[in-house]
Amino acid sequence: GAVVSQHPSWVICKSGTSVKIECRSLDFQATTMFWYRQFPKQSLMLMATSNEGSKATYEQGVEKDKFLINHASLTLSTLTVTSAHPEDSSFYICSATKEGGTGELFFGEGSRLTVL
Amino acid sequence: EDQVTQSPEALRLQEGESSSLNCSYTVSGLRGLFWYRQDPGKGPEFLFTLYSAGEEKEKERLKATLTKKESFLHITAPKPEDSATYLCAVQSRLSGNTGKLIFGQGTTLQVKP
Repeated sequence: GAVVSQHPSWVICKSGTSVKIECRSLDFQATTMFWYRQFPKQSLMLMATSNEGSKATYEQGVEKDKFLINHASLTLSTLTVTSAHPEDSSFYICSATKEGGTGELFFGEGSRLTVL
Repeated sequence: EDQVTQSPEALRLQEGESSSLNCSYTVSGLRGLFWYRQDPGKGPEFLFTLYSAGEEKEKERLKATLTKKESFLHITAPKPEDSATYLCAVQSRLSGNTGKLIFGQGTTLQVKP
C-alpha cells in the first residue's frame, strides 16, 4: 500500500500561538511531499513542495515565514503555522509521491486547524 | 496557464441512475490526469491515473476515460455509498518529477436511496 499519516487530525489553538502538523509516509519513502490547504467547499490549493534535505518551494502568495516546512527525512515532513490567526483556520492536507513511482500522489487524512 | 474545470459543481442522482462527471483541462503537455474521491473531513483517496487520449480505466462502478481536452468519470448504477466529492487533477510535463498537481474544484455527488 501507500499510507500517508497526518497528526494531529484536528487542533484548536489561541491566536498568536504556533501549531505543528506532522506528515509521515508509513510504508514507503517519499522523496517529495506536498502541503495543501482547503477551505470549505473549495478545492485543494498547493501551498508548498518539500524535498528531503532541502528548502521547501512555496507557491506564489504563500508566506514562507508563516508556514514553516521541514522535511527532515524520507518519511517525515512537518508544517508549522507560526503566530496563527483566525484566518489561518483551514483544512491542511499533506501528500507524498513514492520514490521511483509513477507520480501518483497519496494523501494524508488532513488536519483541521481552528484558531480562536 | 494550466487549468482544470470540473462540471457539474453538484450532482444529485437516485440510486441506480447512471451519469457522468466532466473534467476539462488545459495543460502544457499532459503527464497524467488523476481522479480522486474525497469524503467530508478526509483527505483525497486515489482512484485512477490516465496518461494518454483513448485510455480507459475501471474500478467497480466507476470508469474513467480521457481525450485530449477532457476526462469523464462515468458512474454506473450508483449506490448511496458513492456519495462524495470527486476531484480531477492534472500533472504537467513541465513539472518534471515533482509530482505537482493542479486540481479542479470538484463535483459533489449525492446518491439518494
